[in-house]
Amino acid sequence: AQSVTQPDIHITVSEGASLELRCNYSYGATPYLFWYVQSPGQGLQLLLKYFSGDTLVQGIKGFEAEFKRSQSSFNLRKPSVHWSDAAEYFCAVGALLSLGGGADGLTFGKGTHLIIQP
Amino acid sequence: DTAVSQTPKYLVTQMGNDKSIKCEQNLGHDTMYWYKQDSKKFLKIMFSYNNKELIINETVPNRFSPKSPDKAHLNLHINSLELGDSAVYFCASSQDLLSYEQYFGPGTRLTVT
Repeated sequence: AQSVTQPDIHITVSEGASLELRCNYSYGATPYLFWYVQSPGQGLQLLLKYFSGDTLVQGIKGFEAEFKRSQSSFNLRKPSVHWSDAAEYFCAVGALLSLGGGADGLTFGKGTHLIIQP
Repeated sequence: DTAVSQTPKYLVTQMGNDKSIKCEQNLGHDTMYWYKQDSKKFLKIMFSYNNKELIINETVPNRFSPKSPDKAHLNLHINSLELGDSAVYFCASSQDLLSYEQYFGPGTRLTVT
């Protein structure tokens, strides 16, 4: 079964500083990888996704992520954070149904809580 | 226009009651899901439906019963509510079973007292 690890429960970054949130996955085949953001009291919004092709993917709000197969990682980055980026960030992996096709829901990591210092 | 909507946003009820949460998507998607987010913010899939047919039923107590009257709606009915059912429940949808890109509703915060 697939799994996702986000090793940092909390991260504090100063406004304007760069950000990297870590995500490691475990999956036997090529994964479908996602980053979602959850602002306080809100639902989840898709930031970016990786299915295949270029391993550096661009998302919304100035975020990007890089897929590294050798490290089983899909880290999220932003060159300069804004106070509005304070939120919970979830990495997720999509897996195929054991019957050979289709989405088996998403498996989420436990999230990283991002705090922005003024 | 809201793509995936849920009602109610908040639900406070007592142990032993039966309650329902409704979900609607106006994206024309074929596949819908229910996730549970616990107090530690961990998200776990509960069910998925494709064109009104149950596809995934994770290890969830049978007190939870999803109902899909049409492919735009997936409701979650919970019988005999327990304290441990307190969580935020998210509905989501995707284009079809082969699409991994899911769109989430705003969540329903259920508190069982």
